[in-house]
Amino acid sequence: GQQLNQSPQSMFIQEGEDVSMNCTSSSIFNTWLWYKQDPGEGPVLLIALYKAGELTSNGRLTAQFGITRKDSFLNISASIPSDVGIYFCAGPIWAGSYQLTFGKGTKLSVIP
Amino acid sequence: ETGVTQTPRHLVMGMTNKKSLKCEQHLGHNAMYWYKQSAKKPLELMFVYNFKEQTENNSVPSRFSPECPNSSHLFLHLHTLQPEDSALYLCASSQDPGVGYTFGSGTRLTVV
Repeated sequence: GQQLNQSPQSMFIQEGEDVSMNCTSSSIFNTWLWYKQDPGEGPVLLIALYKAGELTSNGRLTAQFGITRKDSFLNISASIPSDVGIYFCAGPIWAGSYQLTFGKGTKLSVIP
Repeated sequence: ETGVTQTPRHLVMGMTNKKSLKCEQHLGHNAMYWYKQSAKKPLELMFVYNFKEQTENNSVPSRFSPECPNSSHLFLHLHTLQPEDSALYLCASSQDPGVGYTFGSGTRLTVV
C-alpha cells in the first residue's frame, strides 16, 4: 500500500534551534497534513496543505507541499520546550473509501 | 478540551475480562474511526464508520468489536484480549472520510 516515510525518526535539539523534518512517498498525494502528538494525548492538526508548491505557516511552524506532490516538509523556528512531541505527516488514500494514512512520526526532544 | 471525548483515559484489564471503550464527538462529523497506536509502530487504522455504517474493518481480530449506534458515538468492545493488545487506542472523527481528522486523547489500555 501507499506508505509515508518520515525522517528523521527522532531529533534532540537545543532550545532556540530551528528544526526541519520531511515526509516522502512513492505515490502522489493531493493533500498533506501535519499533526503533533503531545505525550499522553491524541494527535492535533497543525497545518494542512492542498496545492503543490504551497507554503503555509502557523506561528513558528512552516510547512511546504512539494512540487512533485510526493513530499512535504515541516520547519519549526526557534524551538521551545513545549515543541516536544511526535510529529506525523498524513495524507488521504483511496482504499474503497478515502482514509488518512500516517507516517511513523518524528520524535522531537528539546533540551532547555 | 477537544471536540472528541474518549473514556476511560486509562484501563487495565485481565485477559478474561470484557470491557468497552467509548468515544463521543460534538463536532457534527459524519465519519468516526478507531486507531491503535503501539510503541514504535505507525498509527494503525482499525475501523471506519461513515454515517453509522461500517465501511472498513482493517483485518482486526474478532476480540475487538466496534459499535456505532449513531453518528456521534462510537464504542470498541473488548473481550479475551492478549498482552500484545496493550496500546493507546485513539478515536477520531471527520466531516468526510479522508479529510483532516480530529482525534480524542485516547485510552491507554494495558492487558495483564
